[in-house]
Amino acid sequence: TQLLEQSPQFLSIQEGENLTVYCNSSSVFSSLQWYRQEPGEGPVLLVTVVTGGEVKKLKRLTFQFGDARKDSSLHITAAQPGDTGLYLCAGKETSGSRLTFGEGTQLTVNP
Amino acid sequence: GAVVSQHPSRVICKSGTSVKIECRSLDFQATTMFWYRQFPKQSLMLMATSNEGSKATYEQGVEKDKFLINHASLTLSTLTVTSAHPEDSSFYICSARVWRPNSPLHFGNGTRLTVT
Repeated sequence: TQLLEQSPQFLSIQEGENLTVYCNSSSVFSSLQWYRQEPGEGPVLLVTVVTGGEVKKLKRLTFQFGDARKDSSLHITAAQPGDTGLYLCAGKETSGSRLTFGEGTQLTVNP
Repeated sequence: GAVVSQHPSRVICKSGTSVKIECRSLDFQATTMFWYRQFPKQSLMLMATSNEGSKATYEQGVEKDKFLINHASLTLSTLTVTSAHPEDSSFYICSARVWRPNSPLHFGNGTRLTVT
């Protein structure tokens, strides 16, 4: 089983600040997804990255997939209270359809 | 597209009873669905992989006789928690994916199970 370490586990910041969440593994993933989850709901897909070195932007969110496809980062610029939630990275194993989830980052953006 | 519907969203049951949770892919066919369990402010823990027309594959430590999975059609998988106990109280989430390379998982909205 491939492991995916996500950090930080908890993050509390003020509105307008920037932040970065990291997912790291010693294993190679064929793709990696980032999800955001609010309490009492299922995770919602934010982005899928497939190519090593790939960078994708979604408004104030920037996602990067490491060159070796072992790590990824999520950077949020000028965070807003609406960004509050649990952020999950999930890597797809190179063989099979199984997804490995990181431990999650609970983000709180205070107004 | 790629909507996954999960029902019920909340259920309260008494110890010893069984509870069935349904997971449906509304606009696509899913040969494989996944069932997760999640504790507050923690990540998802994969319980089992549900395969249409065949037996589910359970993760280590998950009791197959307690968590019965049936995937009788390409759009429906069910998870039955049998003889529920308070420690089974949790948030259960299903997911499915369109079968193409690197397609992401799409999640249901989860079921909050409370066993009294």
